[in-house]
Amino acid sequence: GENVEQHPSTLSVQEGDSAVIKCTYSDSASNYFPWYKQELGKRPQLIIDIRSNVGEKKDQRIAVTLNKTAKHFSLHITETQPEDSAVYFCAASKSNYQLIWGAGTKLIIKP
Amino acid sequence: NAGVTQTPKFRVLKTGQSMTLLCAQDMNHEYMYWYRQDPGMGLRLIHYSVGEGTTAKGEVPDGYNVSRLKKQNFLLGLESAAPSQTSVYFCASSWAGEETQYFGPGTRLLVL
Repeated sequence: GENVEQHPSTLSVQEGDSAVIKCTYSDSASNYFPWYKQELGKRPQLIIDIRSNVGEKKDQRIAVTLNKTAKHFSLHITETQPEDSAVYFCAASKSNYQLIWGAGTKLIIKP
Repeated sequence: NAGVTQTPKFRVLKTGQSMTLLCAQDMNHEYMYWYRQDPGMGLRLIHYSVGEGTTAKGEVPDGYNVSRLKKQNFLLGLESAAPSQTSVYFCASSWAGEETQYFGPGTRLLVL
């Protein structure tokens, strides 16, 4: 079955710098790749997603890139701010009702 | 709209006790899911449902049962709780044909 690996498990960056989180997946049939943000004590919420027919997608300070050949995708956050501190989860799916999740990355923004 | 709600928010059980977690959504979503979240392991799917009256096993179904008698509700049952079931449980829902999942606030369960 599908397996999603996420790195790093913890990432600490200076406020204003960029942060990059990477995920790899094993099933080449996966075609949907969302990123969720979970603030401390809160529920996960979708922040951006990408489908396999697109190589990159941007939404203000966040972007996601997908390399289907290498089977990996990445989340890029530019000009990081304190409110970006959270746990970020990637996921992969080949059906519209089952996501396989990465283990999460704790992003710490240092003032 | 309340979105996705879960009850209770927190519960302590003794080993062997049973309980039911309730998830309710008012968005008319067809699909509903139960996940557990443990430190360092992300979200793992326990059971899911693609419609009223239907349920299916996810990645970690053992020790849990579910029912979806009404479209808006998805119940997760623990018949005989074990310490290994100490976790935070999240319910989620989505429209059929769309992958975005909307999560509830979570239920923190401690089994002693």
